[in-house]
Amino acid sequence: QQQVKQSPQSLIVQKGGISIINCAYENTAFDYFPWYQQFPGKGPALLIAIRPDVSEKKEGRFTISFNKSAKQFSLHIMDSQPGDSATYFCAADSGGSNYKLTFGKGTLLTVNP
Amino acid sequence: DTGVSQNPRHKITKRGQNVTFRCDPISEHNRLYWYRQTLGQGPEFLTYFQNEAQLEKSRLLSDRFSAERPKGSFSTLEIQRTEQGDSAMYLCASSLPGAANTEAFFGQGTRLTVV
Repeated sequence: QQQVKQSPQSLIVQKGGISIINCAYENTAFDYFPWYQQFPGKGPALLIAIRPDVSEKKEGRFTISFNKSAKQFSLHIMDSQPGDSATYFCAADSGGSNYKLTFGKGTLLTVNP
Repeated sequence: DTGVSQNPRHKITKRGQNVTFRCDPISEHNRLYWYRQTLGQGPEFLTYFQNEAQLEKSRLLSDRFSAERPKGSFSTLEIQRTEQGDSAMYLCASSLPGAANTEAFFGQGTRLTVV
């Protein structure tokens, strides 16, 4: 049973455009929702994270939108740049310990110049 | 470099051989995690240490897998009698103690290929 479903699998965006990646979860005990960015040959790096007590969090060009009732959250990358080309993973965790992240399958983002 | 360090970066082994990977977490991070990532998938949780205590193991961690963190600093992950299905990227991460939902910092991983 896949507890965090991520879409799309791949995404191509023009430079300056908006990239949107969506995730849906099933476990209502999840209370921490991070997004990770992974470049080839590297480990995942935390990009931005949100807790369910807020509906939106923005850090620079990156915004998480969170819909608790729908059990969905999304990552928006504004003014997408070629350097943003990477694989993005949404994840979720419960219990406040952040040691057992459940990841989505990832979205390969390509930003064309 | 003060990040999470993993060695080796790549390992090719024949089926049936034993392999051992090492993870050095960020200094003062008492929490350490192992994840496995196969091609086209997100990382999957394997096990978790707080200091030297192994507090949780995933059912993905079969009897052929063993992880240790003897002095609460570096950790090793050993796979005995490797199988082709063990081929994956093995990721280590660490985090600070205390506050809820503290950031987990990942290393660059060890890519294992079993031939």
